[in-house]
Amino acid sequence: DAKTTQPPSMDCAEGRAANLPCNHSTISGNEYVYWYRQIHSQGPQYIIHGLKNNETNEMASLIITEDRKSSTLILPHATLRDTAVYYCIVRVWNSGYALNFGKGTSLLVTP
Amino acid sequence: GAGVSQSPSNKVTEKGKDVELRCDPISGHTALYWYRQSLGQGLEFLIYFQGNSAPDKSGLPSDRFSAERTGGSVSTLTIQRTQQEDSAVYLCASSPDPASDEQFFGPGTRLTVL
Repeated sequence: DAKTTQPPSMDCAEGRAANLPCNHSTISGNEYVYWYRQIHSQGPQYIIHGLKNNETNEMASLIITEDRKSSTLILPHATLRDTAVYYCIVRVWNSGYALNFGKGTSLLVTP
Repeated sequence: GAGVSQSPSNKVTEKGKDVELRCDPISGHTALYWYRQSLGQGLEFLIYFQGNSAPDKSGLPSDRFSAERTGGSVSTLTIQRTQQEDSAVYLCASSPDPASDEQFFGPGTRLTVL
């Protein structure tokens, strides 16, 4: 699986959009981008995934660049409960099975 | 419905003792995964089960670590002759099948080896 690079930490004011970047310059054509988050003392939680089109669900939006070498997870209106470590993972669909978590980005949402 | 459950939530043991960690996956989920998270580190994959078989054991750090799954449901991770470096949070996840997009994680077992 391709390696990802994320900033170690970010801050965001409550109510503002949180934009979390991820670089995956060695991504292969059949690798998907997945995002998970881990709130303190809990297990990770799936957020969203995509291949090349932008995706949106009730939790977040995922913007993938046209060359697929980077992506951004957007939390449109961050709340204090969104404070967590966010992991960007690239994974070939239907193979490999294990998620290769890196260090992630620690997002702090402030009042 | 019920999520993934793990027991115990916390385990303190002495160096050299054996420990067993239990995972109850979501009912009907055929795929089950074990990860561990050491202090300040990301999650490290240990082993994956499809049904009762383990096609991928590549993440087990040493032969002191073993895992089994019975009845396509409950899984037990056993660590023999525990060492201080085994101290970590051990997380279990399950998914309906290996191709599923989402893995559902339990709350973890915090293991402390004194």
